[in-house]
Amino acid sequence: QKEVEQNSGPLSVPEGAIASLNCTYSDRGSQSFFWYRQYSGKSPELIMFIYSNGDKEDGRFTAQLNKASQYVSLLIRDSQPSDSATYLCAVMGYSGAGSYQLTFGKGTKLSVIP
Amino acid sequence: DTGVSQNPRHKITKRGQNVTFRCDPISEHNRLYWYRQTLGQGPEFLTYFQNEAQLEKSRLLSDRFSAERPKGSFSTLEIQRTEQGDSAMYLCASSHFFGQSFGGNTIYFGEGSWLTVV
Repeated sequence: QKEVEQNSGPLSVPEGAIASLNCTYSDRGSQSFFWYRQYSGKSPELIMFIYSNGDKEDGRFTAQLNKASQYVSLLIRDSQPSDSATYLCAVMGYSGAGSYQLTFGKGTKLSVIP
Repeated sequence: DTGVSQNPRHKITKRGQNVTFRCDPISEHNRLYWYRQTLGQGPEFLTYFQNEAQLEKSRLLSDRFSAERPKGSFSTLEIQRTEQGDSAMYLCASSHFFGQSFGGNTIYFGEGSWLTVV
């Protein structure tokens, strides 16, 4: 059973601070890692993906991957109240018979306080 | 904007009735996925298609659930004899799969179809 673990939160940060969201995964063979943002009552929206160890930056967002530790994180710089949402970590891994599957964590709820 | 389109967006049905959801993927995408999400949980994989072929089904997908993608374009998800436990958001997603290159299978979600079984 492939597992993706996230702290459910809520994580509260003041406006302008850095929000740090963490995710661990069980399948060492996982290849790609995704962060989605989900506002209440809405569907997940892709923020970014990463597949190489290290950091990947996109605007205010930085994804960090450490395959040896089976750990992926998302940093949000200069947090804004509009960033308040649930952040879903998703991991792409081999599910057998030539098929790859995306497994999601339960998400971390972020609250940015004005 | 030609994103993933789902309908109906909301459906309330009585227990025991059948319901069908439709999904129109992003036009150039060859893969189409169905997920289910309940409150406080991440999306759970149900099934996916590559073109018209259904390549994988989750063990979560009981025999009351059936999905089709007859011409490799839109897809339908039918739930027969609905139960209260089927109440959830049903998410359709699509991707353009061009091989096992890393990141080559980024999945984009539609707005979801909410099902309430009363």
